[in-house]
Order: sequence, then structure tokens, then C-alpha cells
Amino acid sequence: KAGVTQTPRYLIKTRGQQVTLSCSPISGHRSVSWYQQTPGQGLQFLFEYFSETQRNKGNFPGRFSGRQFSNSRSEMNVSTLELGDSALYLCASSLLTGAGNTIYFGEGSWLTVV
Amino acid sequence: DAKTTQPNSMESNEEEPVHLPCNHSTISGTDYIHWYRQLPSQGPEYVIHGLTSNVNNRMASLAIAEDRKSSTLILHRATLRDAAVYYCILRDSGSGNTGKLIFGQGTTLQVKP
Repeated sequence: KAGVTQTPRYLIKTRGQQVTLSCSPISGHRSVSWYQQTPGQGLQFLFEYFSETQRNKGNFPGRFSGRQFSNSRSEMNVSTLELGDSALYLCASSLLTGAGNTIYFGEGSWLTVV
Repeated sequence: DAKTTQPNSMESNEEEPVHLPCNHSTISGTDYIHWYRQLPSQGPEYVIHGLTSNVNNRMASLAIAEDRKSSTLILHRATLRDAAVYYCILRDSGSGNTGKLIFGQGTTLQVKP
């Protein structure tokens, strides 16, 4: 079956703009989470959604937001982009949220802010 | 969240076994041990997970110490495609059952031909 699909794969934005990234989880998966990966900070958890509800949020400013739709697809938005937001943004999905469940990652969206 | 400690880097020769260690001395009884790996320019990939008993799958084996304070990921025959950053992560089944993963720096595995 298809894996986690993220769009767009690559994008370049200007400081001050906003960006929306999209994620389609594996069919049947109801939990979607987002991560940011930078060379300096590594992989950091952004937020997690399950059945359209945000269940957990990482330590990121309010400029980072997300949502999940009834079909489990998810979007994340970053407003007022800063140079430091340049990163690989990863979406992951799992069937359920329990700690024994496997989480599957997409290939990520590469965001460059200039 | 309980933390894990891994060596920054390891080297292996192709077609030889690789043992990647992970220390998690503060692990709780409800923590699952998960391993992920990340190849260059790709998202992390699930490798294996376990709670108390050793686990085997087509990719690797996970050996968990009897006191659960450490574990070892075993790649039985390393290939060049196994060169990646390997992350050992604890997931607490008792803290709201979230999908949150806390990644450390991981172990960068280099495989020599």
C-alpha cells in the first residue's frame, strides 16, 4: 500500500511569507504527527493529531500550526517565515497512538527560507 | 521522557554483523524500546521495537537486557545500504499514548566495503 505522502517535496519561500505543507497518511491511519529536522537541532517533534484533535504539541512558537481533516489528511502551516525555519519537515502516521504502534514517516518537505 | 545514550558513530565491514548499543538506565516499566534509522535525504524508517523480550524481524534483531537498562540492535549482515543514522527511542505507553517520538543524536553507522 502507499506510504506517507508529503507535498510539496521542495519549496523556497521569502522571509515573512507563510507556507502550508500537506501530508496524506497511510490509508487507515488515524494518527498524524509532524517533525522538524535541522542540522543544528536534529529531529524535533512539532505536533500530533488523532481524529482531527491535536493531542500533543512540541515546544515551537505559535507561528507553527496544524490541522487534521476528517479523512486523516493533515496540513501544517508556518506563518511569518524566518530564516531559521529552513528545514526538512517530516510527517508521520500510525494506525493508533499507543507506544507499541509503529510510526511511518514520509520523505519530507524541504523548505528553504531566503 | 526517559533518555537514551548511544555512541556517536560506529564502523562496520560489509557482510559482517553489527551490534549497535543503547543505554536507557532510567527506563520505566511502561516504556517500549523503538529503533529507527534514517538514510541520507530520507525520512526515518522503522526498524524494530520491543518491550521486554528479544525481538526479531526481517531487518534486524533487538536484544533487551534482563534489567531493561540497555538494548542492542543487531544487523546480522551489514550491507552498504545499512549506512545510516540509527536512533534508539523510548516510547512511554503510560503517558497518554501519544505518537510523539523524542529523537536523540543517534549513531551514525558507516559500512565499509
